[in-house]
Amino acid sequence: GQNIDQPTEMTATEGAIVQINCTYQTSGFNGLFWYQQHAGEAPTFLSYNVLDGLEEKGRFSSFLSRSKGYSYLLLKELQMKDSASYLCAVRDSNYQLIWGAGTKLIIKP
Amino acid sequence: ETGVTQTPRHLVMGMTNKKSLKCEQHLGHNAMYWYKQSAKKPLELMFVYSLEERVENNSVPSRFSPECPNSSHLFLHLHTLQPEDSALYLCASSQEIGTGANVLTFGAGSRLTVL
Repeated sequence: GQNIDQPTEMTATEGAIVQINCTYQTSGFNGLFWYQQHAGEAPTFLSYNVLDGLEEKGRFSSFLSRSKGYSYLLLKELQMKDSASYLCAVRDSNYQLIWGAGTKLIIKP
Repeated sequence: ETGVTQTPRHLVMGMTNKKSLKCEQHLGHNAMYWYKQSAKKPLELMFVYSLEERVENNSVPSRFSPECPNSSHLFLHLHTLQPEDSALYLCASSQEIGTGANVLTFGAGSRLTVL
C-alpha cells in the first residue's frame, strides 16, 4: 500500500528553527508538495519538489531525497503566525495525490 | 470574490435531512475536487471533475452525490447521512489534472455535523 508518514505534533520556540520530516512509500513518484493549513482555514500551497535537493523560499525551505523516500520542510525565524498544520503529499505514478495526516506545529513565545 | 469559496461554512443536520454544499472557483481552472478531512487522518479524495465531467469516484457511499453544472461550480448533495460522516469537507480546484506540478487551490471548507 501507499503511505506517507509525518509526526503528529511538534512544538518550537518563536525565533527558532524547526524541521518537519515526511517519509513516503508510493507507487512511483511525480513530485512532493507541502501545504500549510491554519485552524479553520483552507490549506495553502507552500512548495513543490520533484528533483533532489533544497528549494528555498524566504523563511521556508523544502528538501527532497527520492532515493530515501524522504522530504523535510524547514522553517526559520519562527513567528507565532507559523502555528498551523503542515501537510505533506506525494503524487504517484498515476498522478494521484497521496496525503499524510499532517503535522500540527505549535509555536511558543 | 477571488479563489475558492465554499458555503455554508458550518452545517448541522439530522440523519434524515437533505442538504447541499456549494463550491465556486474564480480562478478559471478546469478541474474541481471534493475532499473529506477528518481529525488526524489524511485527506480523502471523494470526487474529481475535469471540464464538468466526473473522472474519479473513490468508492464514496451513494448518500453523497456530486454535481458539476459548469467549470466554476461544484455541489455535494447530502442525504441520509451517518454520524461518522461528520467532518470538514474541502473543495479544491486546479488548472488541469494528470500533471506532476498540478497545484490545488482549496476553499476554507464546510464543517458538517451529523446528529
